[in-house]
Amino acid sequence: DVKVTQSSRYLVKRTGEKVFLECVQDMDHENMFWYRQDPGLGLRLIYFSYDVKMKEKGDIPEGYSVSREKKERFSLILESASTNQTSMYLCASSLSIESGGASYNEQFFGPGTRLTVL
Amino acid sequence: KNQVEQSPQSLIILEGKNCTLQCNYTVSPFSNLRWYKQDTGRGPVSLTIMTFSENTKSNGRYTATLDADTKQSSLHITASQLSDSASYICVVSAGAGGTSYGKLTFGQGTILTVHP
Repeated sequence: DVKVTQSSRYLVKRTGEKVFLECVQDMDHENMFWYRQDPGLGLRLIYFSYDVKMKEKGDIPEGYSVSREKKERFSLILESASTNQTSMYLCASSLSIESGGASYNEQFFGPGTRLTVL
Repeated sequence: KNQVEQSPQSLIILEGKNCTLQCNYTVSPFSNLRWYKQDTGRGPVSLTIMTFSENTKSNGRYTATLDADTKQSSLHITASQLSDSASYICVVSAGAGGTSYGKLTFGQGTILTVHP
Protein backbone atom coordinates (compact mmCIF):
# COMPACT_ATOMS: atom_id res chain seq x y z
CA ASP A 1 0.00 0.00 0.00
CA VAL A 2 1.15 3.51 -0.79
CA LYS A 3 1.83 5.50 2.32
CA VAL A 4 1.91 9.28 2.39
CA THR A 5 2.47 10.70 5.84
CA GLN A 6 2.36 14.25 7.11
CA SER A 7 4.25 15.39 10.17
CA SER A 8 1.31 16.80 12.09
CA ARG A 9 -2.45 16.31 12.04
CA TYR A 10 -3.12 19.57 13.89
CA LEU A 11 -0.95 22.64 14.26
CA VAL A 12 -1.54 26.01 15.91
CA LYS A 13 0.84 28.87 15.17
CA ARG A 14 0.95 32.62 15.72
CA THR A 15 0.96 35.30 13.04
CA GLY A 16 4.48 35.94 11.79
CA GLU A 17 5.89 32.55 12.78
CA LYS A 18 7.79 30.43 10.29
CA VAL A 19 5.95 27.15 9.75
CA PHE A 20 7.24 23.89 8.29
CA LEU A 21 4.88 21.18 7.06
CA GLU A 22 6.58 17.91 6.22
CA CYS A 23 5.39 15.18 3.87
CA VAL A 24 7.00 11.79 3.29
CA GLN A 25 6.05 9.08 0.79
CA ASP A 26 7.41 5.57 0.75
CA MET A 27 6.71 4.50 -2.86
CA ASP A 28 9.55 6.18 -4.74
CA HIS A 29 7.13 8.48 -6.58
CA GLU A 30 8.62 11.17 -8.78
CA ASN A 31 5.87 13.74 -8.32
CA MET A 32 4.78 15.34 -5.07
CA PHE A 33 2.21 18.06 -4.44
CA TRP A 34 0.99 20.46 -1.78
CA TYR A 35 -2.66 21.58 -1.75
CA ARG A 36 -4.79 23.59 0.59
CA GLN A 37 -8.45 22.81 1.08
CA ASP A 38 -10.96 25.41 2.19
CA PRO A 39 -14.74 25.06 2.54
CA GLY A 40 -16.57 25.79 -0.70
CA LEU A 41 -13.35 26.16 -2.69
CA GLY A 42 -12.16 22.62 -3.19
CA LEU A 43 -8.49 21.71 -3.31
CA ARG A 44 -6.12 24.28 -4.72
CA LEU A 45 -2.57 23.50 -5.78
CA ILE A 46 0.16 25.48 -4.02
CA TYR A 47 3.34 23.89 -5.39
CA PHE A 48 4.43 20.66 -6.95
CA SER A 49 7.74 18.92 -7.54
CA TYR A 50 8.54 16.47 -10.32
CA ASP A 51 12.02 15.56 -9.11
CA VAL A 52 14.54 16.22 -6.36
CA LYS A 53 15.36 19.94 -6.11
CA MET A 54 12.78 20.70 -8.84
CA LYS A 55 9.65 22.66 -8.07
CA GLU A 56 6.92 24.50 -9.89
CA LYS A 57 4.33 26.98 -8.73
CA GLY A 58 0.74 25.91 -8.63
CA ASP A 59 -2.31 28.15 -8.62
CA ILE A 60 -1.76 29.86 -5.26
CA PRO A 61 1.98 29.95 -4.40
CA GLU A 62 2.00 33.38 -2.77
CA GLY A 63 3.17 33.27 0.82
CA TYR A 64 4.56 29.75 0.50
CA SER A 65 7.81 28.09 -0.51
CA VAL A 66 8.82 24.43 -0.80
CA SER A 67 11.85 22.25 -0.47
CA ARG A 68 12.62 18.84 -1.95
CA GLU A 69 16.10 17.73 -0.98
CA LYS A 70 15.27 14.00 -1.04
CA LYS A 71 12.91 12.12 -3.31
CA GLU A 72 10.70 10.88 -0.50
CA ARG A 73 10.29 14.19 1.32
CA PHE A 74 8.52 17.39 0.26
CA SER A 75 8.29 20.31 2.67
CA LEU A 76 5.94 23.27 2.61
CA ILE A 77 7.19 26.44 4.27
CA LEU A 78 5.18 29.42 5.41
CA GLU A 79 7.85 32.10 5.81
CA SER A 80 5.63 34.37 7.92
CA ALA A 81 2.31 32.80 8.76
CA SER A 82 -0.82 34.90 8.42
CA THR A 83 -4.39 34.27 9.54
CA ASN A 84 -5.57 33.78 5.96
CA GLN A 85 -3.31 30.73 5.77
CA THR A 86 -5.49 28.92 8.28
CA SER A 87 -6.55 25.88 6.30
CA MET A 88 -6.31 22.14 5.77
CA TYR A 89 -3.07 21.30 3.97
CA LEU A 90 -2.89 18.11 1.94
CA CYS A 91 0.20 16.50 0.50
CA ALA A 92 0.04 14.02 -2.38
CA SER A 93 2.41 11.93 -4.44
CA SER A 94 1.76 10.34 -7.80
CA LEU A 95 2.83 7.65 -10.18
CA SER A 96 1.90 7.03 -13.77
CA ILE A 97 -0.57 4.21 -14.48
CA GLU A 98 -2.17 2.76 -17.60
CA SER A 99 -5.92 2.41 -18.15
CA GLY A 100 -8.21 2.44 -21.15
CA GLY A 101 -5.26 2.76 -23.49
CA ALA A 102 -4.02 5.96 -21.85
CA SER A 103 -1.57 6.76 -19.10
CA TYR A 104 -2.14 9.25 -16.34
CA ASN A 105 -1.03 10.19 -12.88
CA GLU A 106 -2.75 8.55 -9.93
CA GLN A 107 -2.44 10.79 -6.88
CA PHE A 108 -2.24 9.43 -3.35
CA PHE A 109 -3.02 11.82 -0.55
CA GLY A 110 -1.76 12.10 2.98
CA PRO A 111 -4.13 12.53 5.95
CA GLY A 112 -3.81 16.31 5.98
CA THR A 113 -2.59 18.90 8.45
CA ARG A 114 -5.14 21.30 9.88
CA LEU A 115 -3.23 24.53 10.49
CA THR A 116 -4.65 27.35 12.57
CA VAL A 117 -2.85 30.70 12.57
CA LEU A 118 -3.85 32.96 15.44
CA LYS B 1 -11.20 29.00 -17.31
CA ASN B 2 -11.31 25.33 -16.30
CA GLN B 3 -14.15 24.62 -13.89
CA VAL B 4 -15.75 21.64 -12.19
CA GLU B 5 -19.21 22.03 -10.68
CA GLN B 6 -20.78 19.42 -8.45
CA SER B 7 -24.35 18.97 -7.33
CA PRO B 8 -25.94 18.74 -4.93
CA GLN B 9 -23.73 20.47 -2.35
CA SER B 10 -25.03 18.10 0.29
CA LEU B 11 -27.30 15.09 0.43
CA ILE B 12 -28.90 13.08 3.23
CA ILE B 13 -30.18 9.57 2.57
CA LEU B 14 -31.25 6.56 4.60
CA GLU B 15 -29.05 3.51 4.91
CA GLY B 16 -29.74 1.00 2.15
CA LYS B 17 -30.94 3.59 -0.36
CA ASN B 18 -29.23 4.47 -3.64
CA CYS B 19 -28.07 7.92 -4.65
CA THR B 20 -26.47 9.72 -7.58
CA LEU B 21 -24.03 12.61 -7.44
CA GLN B 22 -23.47 14.88 -10.43
CA CYS B 23 -20.42 16.58 -11.90
CA ASN B 24 -20.29 19.03 -14.81
CA TYR B 25 -17.00 20.29 -16.14
CA THR B 26 -15.49 22.72 -18.57
CA VAL B 27 -11.90 21.54 -18.82
CA SER B 28 -9.91 21.57 -21.99
CA PRO B 29 -8.20 19.59 -23.32
CA PHE B 30 -9.81 16.75 -21.39
CA SER B 31 -7.58 13.94 -20.21
CA ASN B 32 -9.40 12.03 -17.50
CA LEU B 33 -12.00 12.35 -14.75
CA ARG B 34 -11.67 11.00 -11.23
CA TRP B 35 -13.95 10.57 -8.28
CA TYR B 36 -12.45 10.71 -4.79
CA LYS B 37 -13.97 9.93 -1.42
CA GLN B 38 -12.82 12.02 1.52
CA ASP B 39 -13.76 11.01 5.04
CA THR B 40 -13.91 13.78 7.62
CA GLY B 41 -10.43 14.78 8.73
CA ARG B 42 -8.66 12.57 6.22
CA GLY B 43 -7.15 12.88 2.76
CA PRO B 44 -9.08 11.99 -0.41
CA VAL B 45 -8.96 8.41 -1.64
CA SER B 46 -9.45 7.53 -5.30
CA LEU B 47 -12.62 5.62 -6.24
CA THR B 48 -12.50 5.63 -10.05
CA ILE B 49 -10.58 7.16 -12.92
CA MET B 50 -12.01 7.35 -16.45
CA THR B 51 -10.35 8.46 -19.65
CA PHE B 52 -12.25 9.84 -22.65
CA SER B 53 -12.67 6.35 -24.09
CA GLU B 54 -14.40 4.97 -20.98
CA ASN B 55 -18.03 5.81 -20.25
CA THR B 56 -18.55 3.72 -17.14
CA LYS B 57 -16.44 2.26 -14.40
CA SER B 58 -17.35 0.45 -11.21
CA ASN B 59 -15.63 -0.01 -7.88
CA GLY B 60 -17.79 -2.22 -5.69
CA ARG B 61 -21.00 -0.34 -4.89
CA TYR B 62 -19.71 2.78 -6.65
CA THR B 63 -20.37 3.24 -10.38
CA ALA B 64 -19.15 6.29 -12.26
CA THR B 65 -20.34 7.31 -15.70
CA LEU B 66 -18.84 9.78 -18.12
CA ASP B 67 -20.43 11.57 -21.08
CA ALA B 68 -17.59 13.39 -22.81
CA ASP B 69 -19.98 15.01 -25.29
CA THR B 70 -22.06 16.78 -22.65
CA LYS B 71 -19.10 17.03 -20.25
CA GLN B 72 -20.99 15.39 -17.43
CA SER B 73 -20.21 12.63 -15.00
CA SER B 74 -22.20 10.94 -12.29
CA LEU B 75 -21.31 8.76 -9.33
CA HIS B 76 -23.97 6.24 -8.35
CA ILE B 77 -23.84 4.62 -4.92
CA THR B 78 -25.86 1.46 -4.49
CA ALA B 79 -27.26 0.15 -1.21
CA SER B 80 -25.67 2.89 0.86
CA GLN B 81 -23.95 2.15 4.16
CA LEU B 82 -23.19 4.38 7.12
CA SER B 83 -19.51 4.30 6.12
CA ASP B 84 -20.41 6.00 2.83
CA SER B 85 -20.90 9.24 4.77
CA ALA B 86 -18.14 11.45 3.35
CA SER B 87 -17.36 14.18 0.86
CA TYR B 88 -17.20 13.03 -2.76
CA ILE B 89 -14.96 15.07 -4.99
CA CYS B 90 -14.98 15.15 -8.78
CA VAL B 91 -11.60 15.96 -10.32
CA VAL B 92 -10.85 16.56 -13.99
CA SER B 93 -7.38 16.40 -15.48
CA ALA B 94 -6.42 18.61 -18.39
CA GLY B 95 -3.63 18.03 -20.82
CA ALA B 96 -2.31 15.06 -22.67
CA GLY B 97 -1.86 12.97 -19.55
CA GLY B 98 1.03 10.61 -20.07
CA THR B 99 3.79 10.55 -17.54
CA SER B 100 3.93 14.30 -16.97
CA TYR B 101 1.73 16.03 -14.45
CA GLY B 102 -1.67 16.86 -15.89
CA LYS B 103 -3.27 19.88 -14.29
CA LEU B 104 -6.13 18.86 -12.01
CA THR B 105 -9.24 20.93 -11.45
CA PHE B 106 -11.17 19.97 -8.32
CA GLY B 107 -14.87 20.32 -7.69
CA GLN B 108 -15.98 21.62 -4.31
CA GLY B 109 -17.40 18.26 -3.35
CA THR B 110 -20.77 16.80 -2.37
CA ILE B 111 -21.21 16.01 1.31
CA LEU B 112 -23.15 12.77 1.68
CA THR B 113 -24.67 11.80 5.01
CA VAL B 114 -26.16 8.34 5.43
CA HIS B 115 -28.56 7.96 8.35
CA PRO B 116 -29.53 4.63 9.94
